[in-house]
Amino acid sequence: GAVVSQHPSRVICKSGTSVKIECRSLDFQATTMFWYRQFPKQSLMLMATSNEGSKATYEQGVEKDKFLINHASLTLSTLTVTSAHPEDSSFYICSAREGSGRAQETQYFGPGTRLLVL
Amino acid sequence: EDQVTQSPEALRLQEGESSSLNCSYTVSGLRGLFWYRQDPGKGPEFLFTLYSAGEEKEKERLKATLTKKESFLHITAPKPEDSATYLCAVRGYNTDKLIFGTGTRLQVFP
Repeated sequence: GAVVSQHPSRVICKSGTSVKIECRSLDFQATTMFWYRQFPKQSLMLMATSNEGSKATYEQGVEKDKFLINHASLTLSTLTVTSAHPEDSSFYICSAREGSGRAQETQYFGPGTRLLVL
Repeated sequence: EDQVTQSPEALRLQEGESSSLNCSYTVSGLRGLFWYRQDPGKGPEFLFTLYSAGEEKEKERLKATLTKKESFLHITAPKPEDSATYLCAVRGYNTDKLIFGTGTRLQVFP
């Protein structure tokens, strides 16, 4: 099956610093990548959608200047949490989809990154 | 508005006790219905994609079925390692994003 990796798996940082999370599709080219946030015992909340080479589309209520998303290639997307604060502490999960045709409809998820801001 | 409802919220089974999880959906034109398994502290793991009513897919002890209004995930003779949260999601033709249900938390006891 298709594999999506994330790095790092866990990060602890001080308030005010920036943190970058990488998401890679290892065995397929991802035309579209997604970033989610998940709070304990809750479902996934979509933060933004990005297509390779285009600016990301952010969901309502998500600050685009705080959560910078770059989808520079068909296998790599990055999420940078700028000037992180304790309320940004959460579980961040990326997802990737190959295309829009029927065989490429499935989204595959990465293992997630646990961010703790002190 | 596209919507997904999963039931039950939680399910406790004895090892070997078969059961079914339900996913009811409303969507304006179904592109696909997806089942995922999520273990604590991990990202969702893909299980099945279903595209049209009448379609069925199987993998080991799991079987997913689809009608025009709902999908079932049947678990046959579950084992403790099947314990996880099972997520259902749909994607409609009018949107680029998945709409998730709140999940069913399954616990299988030996």
